[in-house]
Amino acid sequence: DVKVTQSSRYLVKRTGEKVFLECVQDMDHENMFWYRQDPGLGLRLIYFSYDVKMKEKGDIPEGYSVSREKKERFSLILESASTNQTSMYLCASSPLGPGELFFGEGSRLTVL
Amino acid sequence: AQKITQTQPGMFVQEKEAVTLDCTYDTSDPSYGLFWYKQPSSGEMIFLIYQGSYDQQNATEGRYSLNFQKARKSANLVISASQLGDSAMYFCAMRERDTGNQFYFGTGTSLTVIP
Repeated sequence: DVKVTQSSRYLVKRTGEKVFLECVQDMDHENMFWYRQDPGLGLRLIYFSYDVKMKEKGDIPEGYSVSREKKERFSLILESASTNQTSMYLCASSPLGPGELFFGEGSRLTVL
Repeated sequence: AQKITQTQPGMFVQEKEAVTLDCTYDTSDPSYGLFWYKQPSSGEMIFLIYQGSYDQQNATEGRYSLNFQKARKSANLVISASQLGDSAMYFCAMRERDTGNQFYFGTGTSLTVIP
């Protein structure tokens, strides 16, 4: 069964902490994505990567960085967490050609 | 401009009835794909149906069908014979060939099925 796995379903962090959200896919997909989901705003793209060590900014990259050292792993980093980064974070992957996004279960982050 | 517009924040439907969730899109790329996802309260995103821009026929998957009107740039999701388990958020999304495989999502429609 193909899967996208996010390391944590629920996290609680304090303002100013460094936060790592890990995502691993086992489908050998080239593309990987990090989205943020907030009520009434839908899914907003933070960063995506189409190859190892490659990354592209999405619509809301401010306050975030990413790392893709291996094809199967895409990490989202909050260098200094702030309360306005409290949200649901969704990782997804897709093949290069036509095809849908495959999502992880999501990581709900609360920053106090 | 919004790439994907879903104008119905919330919808109600009686069990066993059909319901249409609206989606309009904006693109100048002749090659694109349209997707619908379901997100139950548990949070996972479930892929429902796909329509390619060159597909001549409307896509169908079981009780789901996509009413694709290319000239109007609309891609409405039709759910037939609604079930209680259909209560969820529904997101319309688009993938353009020319924008590096990015997916664009709408703001979603919350569907509630009433017994």
